[in-house]
Amino acid sequence: DAGITQSPRHKVTETGTPVTLRCHQTENHRYMYWYRQDPGHGLRLIHYSYGVKDTDKGEVSDGYSVSRSKTEDFLLTLESATSSQTSVYFCAIRTGGGDSYEQYFGPGTRLTVT
Amino acid sequence: GESVGLHLPTLSVQEGDNSIINCAYSNSASDYFIWYKQESGKGPQFIIDIRSNMDKRQGQRVTVLLNKTVKHLSLQIAATQPGDSAVYFCAESLTGGFKTIFGAGTRLFVKA
Repeated sequence: DAGITQSPRHKVTETGTPVTLRCHQTENHRYMYWYRQDPGHGLRLIHYSYGVKDTDKGEVSDGYSVSRSKTEDFLLTLESATSSQTSVYFCAIRTGGGDSYEQYFGPGTRLTVT
Repeated sequence: GESVGLHLPTLSVQEGDNSIINCAYSNSASDYFIWYKQESGKGPQFIIDIRSNMDKRQGQRVTVLLNKTVKHLSLQIAATQPGDSAVYFCAESLTGGFKTIFGAGTRLFVKA
């Protein structure tokens, strides 16, 4: 599992409340990603990080922000949660180099916005 | 476990048969392709990858075929086992691999 943990694993929150999801890795990988997974959409990239304090947007970044103040932690924040953000959220790290860019995923966080 | 796809294409095969899962990718400039397996309640798991300078790559019981002319990728699983039941995603990326685009997935059912 490449030493990736996500917290919380499950969360129910109300519309309009802020929510922060945490991804923690133990192997000092440079690249970290946040995806959301919804039925029929596969995995869609929200934000990614290529180093401490270096982040960039993915294809579905609206309504989300991220922070990476240290290598091992990548935080995803929903400033004001909406029902459309109900989803399963996966964090991933990228390993390899040269010809291979494998991504290893965390166990996921199921977020329900009521 | 998590419901990852209520309307996914589904492939049902008999245990011991070979499985072929197909994928059409979108970007003709993509030069790196990956197959992932996702079991219920878990995150996706890397299976095998292939670069655009190859048209075939083999792993343990799995083979990936790449046809760049028609932007088509396939995953072949030999002697399919019940443990192979999962959702399979293809993914494409450009060199550097900062961003990976995932397909919607195919659900594989293995009948005992």
